[in-house]
Amino acid sequence: QVQLKESGPGLVQPSQTLSLTCTVSGFSLTSYNVHWVRQPPGKGLEWMGRMRYNGDTSYNSALKSRLSISRDTSKNQVFLKMNSLQTDDTGTYYCTRDNYGGWYWGQGVMVTVSS
Amino acid sequence: DIQMTQSPSSMSASLGDRVTITCQASQDIGNNLIWFQQKPGKSPRPMIYYATNLANGVPSRFSGSRSGSDYSLTISSLESEDMADYHCLQYKQYPLTFGSGTKLEIK
Repeated sequence: QVQLKESGPGLVQPSQTLSLTCTVSGFSLTSYNVHWVRQPPGKGLEWMGRMRYNGDTSYNSALKSRLSISRDTSKNQVFLKMNSLQTDDTGTYYCTRDNYGGWYWGQGVMVTVSS
Repeated sequence: DIQMTQSPSSMSASLGDRVTITCQASQDIGNNLIWFQQKPGKSPRPMIYYATNLANGVPSRFSGSRSGSDYSLTISSLESEDMADYHCLQYKQYPLTFGSGTKLEIK
């Protein structure tokens, strides 16, 4: 059974760095891509970036300078780090695995950027 | 980057109505498009993949189609449980891009 679960701090101060972890089960990170997607409150979805099955990464053009995605295959974890957070980075952050027949999603983690 | 222009941003329809939501791609994406349904407080759920294919467990009243650069999600007969937000995503080219979303309400 494919599962993804995001974890990380619920509150981050402005200008600080956000660190999130996506822990997966039911599949191998060396066989499937994992993406990060975020959603500001009451707004649409924004694709942030991807960890490819072979370790390559791709990033949203608008976030590329602040964003880093990495992984630890031995722990079945994918990591997101984004620096210089501002209030408009507040939202729900999801990790998701792509799949030809539809994507699998984690439950999401709410992150609030506030002092 | 490929732009996905989704319309309408919101709509209200009656039970039993036929409803269509559209995403227009700024470049050729082939059929590399997914439609997601998202209910309040929930993660997105895939409804249609590769533009026209029904995802597992999705009711047959949902369908996807393509006309040129326009991709549509149609609900043939609206039911109350269909009240949700709908998002399209192109996965033809990185960076991947979502449409801006459609909020579907029941009259």
